[in-house]
Amino acid sequence: AQTVTQSQPEMSVQEAETVTLSCTYDTSESDYYLFWYKQPPSRQMILVIRQEAYKQQNATENRFSVNFQKAAKSFSLKISDSQLGDAAMYFCAYRSVNYGGSQGNLIFGKGTKLSVKP
Amino acid sequence: DADVTQTPRNRITKTGKRIMLECSQTKGHDRMYWYRQDPGLGLRLIYYSFDVKDINKGEISDGYSVSRQAQAKFSLSLESAIPNQTALYFCATSELRDYRNEQFFGPGTRLTVL
Repeated sequence: AQTVTQSQPEMSVQEAETVTLSCTYDTSESDYYLFWYKQPPSRQMILVIRQEAYKQQNATENRFSVNFQKAAKSFSLKISDSQLGDAAMYFCAYRSVNYGGSQGNLIFGKGTKLSVKP
Repeated sequence: DADVTQTPRNRITKTGKRIMLECSQTKGHDRMYWYRQDPGLGLRLIYYSFDVKDINKGEISDGYSVSRQAQAKFSLSLESAIPNQTALYFCATSELRDYRNEQFFGPGTRLTVL
């Protein structure tokens, strides 16, 4: 079974600085999807960025980018020019490309709480 | 209007009571999910449904039941609530034909069992 590990329960960053959140996963599959979700104090789950494992290029969405290291099974999220609105819980998630049965379900890490200091 | 709605948004109940959490979606998606979020544990899957006639247990289904009344509605029931079911509950939807299977989440229901 696949597992997702976020080893940093809490992180802190100064406004305008850069921070990297770590995520590792375990799978025997060769193709899959990886996601980062943001959960601000409003509780809403917001998709931040998505990475397809077959793509070697790291995904980027504005100030958010990932460092995807397939061999190391690592998927870190980098937030550049951190803003106060980035303060939230961040969840890393894994999904198989096979969407039949339970294989299509998301597997979440336990989350990292990011604080942004003004 | 929100695409995925949950009612109630907050609920306090007592041990032993039956409670139902409701989820509705206007996205027209086939798949619907119920998750539970606990501090330090992330989100864990309770039940999922691929269509009205297909309901499946997730990682932590004990103590819960679900009903898919229509494509757009998926309800989660706690037959006899207990304090360790105090948590944040999320409904989510996804589209079968979306190969990326992106899931869209509702706003969550904060449930407290006294």
